[in-house]
Amino acid sequence: QQQVKQSPQSLIVQKGGISIINCAYENTAFDYFPWYQQFPGKGPALLIAIRPDVSEKKEGRFTISFNKSAKQFSLHIMDSQPGDSATYFCAASTKTSYDKVIFGPGTSLSVIP
Amino acid sequence: NAGVTQTPKFRVLKTGQSMTLLCAQDMNHEYMYWYRQDPGMGLRLIHYSVGEGTTAKGEVPDGYNVSRLKKQNFLLGLESAAPSQTSVYFCASSYLYTTDTQYFGPGTRLTVL
Repeated sequence: QQQVKQSPQSLIVQKGGISIINCAYENTAFDYFPWYQQFPGKGPALLIAIRPDVSEKKEGRFTISFNKSAKQFSLHIMDSQPGDSATYFCAASTKTSYDKVIFGPGTSLSVIP
Repeated sequence: NAGVTQTPKFRVLKTGQSMTLLCAQDMNHEYMYWYRQDPGMGLRLIHYSVGEGTTAKGEVPDGYNVSRLKKQNFLLGLESAAPSQTSVYFCASSYLYTTDTQYFGPGTRLTVL
């Protein structure tokens, strides 16, 4: 199964709150899990990524939590800011197959003052 | 360093017309990709290329053709446009593997009437 499921579809968070977006996958061959951030009218850009040999990766206010046994990973945005308002895509890929970059359907995040 | 550029930014076609979208990258990346983005469906891979002179089909290739005559350019063609091809098209490139960061262009918004 190549699908990557992502939830919620949309999220509204107050400034200073924690935003949490969840993703799940089926293919155990996936070995790279990036998150992309997309602002309106722009192309997606890599935000943060994790490999399955670690359970957590933190970069500033952004943290990926990874649960290999449950085949789930999530993005946490601490102290959410209005400038974080964007669409977030999780993805999964494997080095063994060229075209195996599967994106989730996206989460539209709005951070309100 | 311009990164990934796409031409044109917007286009309106009538059903049955043809057009070519141009993607250019100046990062000496081997891999290039064409995606389409539709509401609620994330990014779906149309075609990709793992090097100059090579192309391969992705998830949704029907109705599209591609060419990679030069390493820095990746062209996406629509032979006979259909309303179902109304979408935002993104080009991306990565250094080598699909587990490398993908750099996206700004997108082309195509409407087929």
